Amino acid sequence: GQQVMQIPQYQHVQEGEDFTTYCNSSTTLSNIQWYKQRPGGHPVFLIQLVKSGEVKKQKRLTFQFGEAKKNSSLHITATQTTDVGTYFCAGQSGYSTLTFGKGTMLLVSP
Amino acid sequence: DTAVSQTPKYLVTQMGNDKSIKCEQNLGHDTMYWYKQDSKKFLKIMFSYNNKELIINETVPNRFSPKSPDKAHLNLHINSLELGDSAVYFCASSQVHGNQPQHFGDGTRLSIL
Repeated sequence: GQQVMQIPQYQHVQEGEDFTTYCNSSTTLSNIQWYKQRPGGHPVFLIQLVKSGEVKKQKRLTFQFGEAKKNSSLHITATQTTDVGTYFCAGQSGYSTLTFGKGTMLLVSP
Repeated sequence: DTAVSQTPKYLVTQMGNDKSIKCEQNLGHDTMYWYKQDSKKFLKIMFSYNNKELIINETVPNRFSPKSPDKAHLNLHINSLELGDSAVYFCASSQVHGNQPQHFGDGTRLSIL
């Protein structure tokens, strides 16, 4: 079945440093979604990418969808303590169910 | 108003007991889901219902039985609870089944003694 791999599993940065998490799928995706889960909270939808090579920005967050629609990345510029949490990518192929990656846990030290 | 609400938030019970978790969404969505998140934060889909009909049933022990009385509600009943059932269970909904954002409830933290 479809697999979505996400790296790194964990990253600890100093406030102000940049952060990137990467997502790779074993199959070509029709769309990819990104979610953020704060400690003790629930996953919250951030964004969806649909087009090959698509790039979307939300303030300090930049999301990319690969040309082959098999990989994606989330980059945070100048991290803040409010960025702490686990970031999940979730991919879908055709009419299959959304498959979540295992997430990247981000810790930001002040 | 809470969009996706689950009850209870915490559930502590003994092995062998039967328990239920309720979920309601007021977003008017057609599709609802149950996920299990283990201690390593892995989010695994368990079930998906579209307009009260089961459309996804992943490899889940048959001790877990979902019920959808209407499209705004999806409950999860668990029989003969086991230690390995300890996890956080999330209910979620989306407008339709497919490439739509999912809205998650706050989760139910289930602990088996």
